[in-house]
Amino acid sequence: KQEVTQIPAALSVPEGENLVLNCSFTDSAIYNLQWFRQDPGKGLTSLLLIQSSQREQTSGRLNASLDKSSGRSTLYIAASQPGDSATYLCAVRQAGGFKTIFGAGTRLFVKA
Amino acid sequence: NAGVTQTPKFRILKIGQSMTLQCTQDMNHNYMYWYRQDPGMGLKLIYYSVGAGITDKGEVPNGYNVSRSTTEDFPLRLELAAPSQTSVYFCASSYASGTRGDTQYFGPGTRLTVL
Repeated sequence: KQEVTQIPAALSVPEGENLVLNCSFTDSAIYNLQWFRQDPGKGLTSLLLIQSSQREQTSGRLNASLDKSSGRSTLYIAASQPGDSATYLCAVRQAGGFKTIFGAGTRLFVKA
Repeated sequence: NAGVTQTPKFRILKIGQSMTLQCTQDMNHNYMYWYRQDPGMGLKLIYYSVGAGITDKGEVPNGYNVSRSTTEDFPLRLELAAPSQTSVYFCASSYASGTRGDTQYFGPGTRLTVL
C-alpha cells in the first residue's frame, strides 16, 4: 500500500533563505507526483507536476525533483518570501489507476 | 472562467441527516474527484469519475454516494451523517492524461460539521 510522508511537519525560516521540503513514498510504481500549496481555509493550488519519466520541473523560484528508485521528491524554494508561508502538500498518483495519495504536508512560515 | 466551484461553503448537520455537496467545473475536464481532509492530515480520495456516467470508489467511500450525469457536475451525497464525517471536502478536476498532463484543479472546499 502506497504511503506518502512529508518531513518536516513544520518549518520556520527567515526571509531570503533557500529551503528544501521533502516527500518520500513507499511504492515506486507511480504515474506522477504533484506538489501543491494550501493557504489556511483555502483549496489547493498546483505548483508543479512531475511525470514518472521526468527527473525535475521548474517554475520561477520553485524546483521539484523526483527520484523514483529511492522513493523521494524534493521541492526547492529559492529566496523565500513571507508570501510563501503556506502548507505544501505532495501527492503521488499510482501507476495504472487514478488513485492519488497525499502526504500530510509541511507547514512553512517565512519570517519577514 | 470560474474553474471548480463548490457549494455550500459551510454546513452543520445533525446525526442521521443527509445532504448533497455540489461541485461544478467549467474547464471541460473529463476527470473529477472528491476528497476529504481531516485536521493535520493529507487528503483522502472518496470517489472519482473518468467521464459522464462512470464513477468508482477511492480510499474512503463508505457513507457516501456520487453520480455524474454531465461532464460539468459531480455531486457528493452523504446519507445518514455521522460525526466521523466531520471534515473539509474538496472537489477537483483534471484533463485526461496526455500532453496536458493531469494537473488537478481544486475547488475552495466545503467545511462540514456533524453534531
